[in-house]
Amino acid sequence: GAVVSQHPSWVICKSGTSVKIECRSLDFQATTMFWYRQFPKQSLMLMATSNEGSKATYEQGVEKDKFLINHASLTLSTLTVTSAHPEDSSFYICSAPTLNPRTDTQYFGPGTRLTVL
Amino acid sequence: QQQVKQSPQSLIVQKGGISIINCAYENTAFDYFPWYQQFPGKGPALLIAIRPDVSEKKEGRFTISFNKSAKQFSLHIMDSQPGDSATYFCAASISDSNYQLIWGAGTKLIIKP
Repeated sequence: GAVVSQHPSWVICKSGTSVKIECRSLDFQATTMFWYRQFPKQSLMLMATSNEGSKATYEQGVEKDKFLINHASLTLSTLTVTSAHPEDSSFYICSAPTLNPRTDTQYFGPGTRLTVL
Repeated sequence: QQQVKQSPQSLIVQKGGISIINCAYENTAFDYFPWYQQFPGKGPALLIAIRPDVSEKKEGRFTISFNKSAKQFSLHIMDSQPGDSATYFCAASISDSNYQLIWGAGTKLIIKP
């Protein structure tokens, strides 16, 4: 199946710094990618939809100025957590659907564990 | 109406037994129903998916049963193994909705050896 990678797999940063997380589709092109965050023992919460060549669409309650998304190419989307605080500590996961409308299959990255001290 | 309700929250099954996880939805526009498996510290992985034009889909030990009239679908894991211990999520989407998935709350499955 298709592969989606994320980098880094984990990151520890100090409060007030910014952190960039990359999401890459390795063997297919993705005009759309999704960014989720997941707290322990909870389901995935959609943060935003990343669209190649255009602005991301953010879910209600997600601060677009805090979580900057850039989808510069058909295989790369980045999420930058700006001025991170301890409450931003979470597991961030990206996903990308293949372009086959009959399968609608979404492939997920392995996730990035962010810890803000 | 956009919710997908998943039960049970947790499940313990003996090795070799059948694990059954259920999901229900309200929005009749949903036309794609995948199940994802997630191990701790990893991203979800697609396990099996179904569309409403069939009532059952089987892949190895995993079977989805789909009841369109009841707006319910379930995952059956036959001959459950300790390696199946993970959290399972059902989801639903509408084909023309930009692939956005609506997620169930998840079921933590533990297979006892």
